Amino acid sequence: GIQVEQSPPDLILQEGANSTLRCNFSDSVNNLQWFHQNPWGQLINLFYIPSGTKQNGRLSATTVATERYSLLYISSSQTTDSGVYFCAVNDDYKLSFGAGTTVTVRA
Amino acid sequence: ETGVTQTPRHLVMGMTNKKSLKCEQHLGHNAMYWYKQSAKKPLELMFVYSLEERVENNSVPSRFSPECPNSSHLFLHLHTLQPEDSALYLCASSSRTSSYEQYFGPGTRLTVT
Repeated sequence: GIQVEQSPPDLILQEGANSTLRCNFSDSVNNLQWFHQNPWGQLINLFYIPSGTKQNGRLSATTVATERYSLLYISSSQTTDSGVYFCAVNDDYKLSFGAGTTVTVRA
Repeated sequence: ETGVTQTPRHLVMGMTNKKSLKCEQHLGHNAMYWYKQSAKKPLELMFVYSLEERVENNSVPSRFSPECPNSSHLFLHLHTLQPEDSALYLCASSSRTSSYEQYFGPGTRLTVT
């Protein structure tokens, strides 16, 4: 199956800081999703981004499919941004998840 | 109700009990998924149903039995579980006719005593 690697595994931020999370994948994919898992376990869809750049408020994402990586940018971080961020890719219906980046934003 | 719902949200059961987890999607999708998330581990795909037919079964023990009576509902029947089965069980749905973007329910946190 497709291998997905996320970095860094852990990230501690001061409120207001900016950060970049990275997702590398081992093969061509049709779809790529970014999720935020909140402390209660809910996986929230952030971006569906098989290629290109998208922005949603303080979050933005860029996928360079030809180079097999995606970046998630968090700007002006807030304590509510804390949680685990997952990247997941698929070439059909089956998603392969990375191990996640645990983000802690301190006030 | 909107999106994907799951009940119950929390479940504690003994090893000899039988229980069922329920998932319902309100998105008009035609594929549904069960995932298991154990502490400190990535999400593991357990089962996939596409158009109510099981298309994926990732070597899951027979003490887990899925059921998909229609495209909106998915169940996971549990019996004689082990303590290592304690985990967060997540349901998801997607369309098989457009993008495969998956949407997740809030999960059922299961504890086996």
